[in-house]
Amino acid sequence: GEDVEQSLFLSVREGDSSVINCTYTDSSSTYLYWYKQEPGAGLQLLTYIFSNMDMKQDQRLTVLLNKKDKHLSLRIADTQTGDSAIYFCAETTGFQKLVFGTGTRLLVSP
Amino acid sequence: GAVVSQHPSWVICKSGTSVKIECRSLDFQATTMFWYRQFPKQSLMLMATSNEGSKATYEQGVEKDKFLINHASLTLSTLTVTSAHPEDSSFYICSAIQRNTEAFFGQGTRLTVV
Repeated sequence: GEDVEQSLFLSVREGDSSVINCTYTDSSSTYLYWYKQEPGAGLQLLTYIFSNMDMKQDQRLTVLLNKKDKHLSLRIADTQTGDSAIYFCAETTGFQKLVFGTGTRLLVSP
Repeated sequence: GAVVSQHPSWVICKSGTSVKIECRSLDFQATTMFWYRQFPKQSLMLMATSNEGSKATYEQGVEKDKFLINHASLTLSTLTVTSAHPEDSSFYICSAIQRNTEAFFGQGTRLTVV
């Protein structure tokens, strides 16, 4: 079945690194995504990774994928107050229906 | 990236009335659109998948007579919440994709039923 879980809350200081974790259960997932949602807004795609990769780096963002453990993480380097938002991981077996995680609220304090 | 526009951004309506939410892909043709519902501090739940020119496919537990979806063109899908009740109050988000591309999300519509 499809079940994607995340820790609910993460608090960091500005300038620190943030690591947001996600576990999923569908081993047939081909793409895994990270989205950002600011209050009252829609979702913004941050990055995605193919299931045959184990790492992807994009500026301050690093995605790590452990397919064996079905574990995905998003590391944000040099976290800024503007990074405060809810972060959702999502999985799909194609560019179709997305199954979203429970969301992690990141709070960055000055 | 591509732009998906939702309208209205927020709406307040009386119980028993119907509300229509529009989702438009502004610079691409969307073969498929998705409608999600998000309760406060919760994740997004897929309500239905809408393909242009065909009936929407609803997820289990979603009443298709209550949430009417129309995808009449490649750039527009609408969600109509019929006979709205306070428990329908929620944040509704659409997404749109072309064939085999990433999903682009609208900014969402906050519905409050009073």
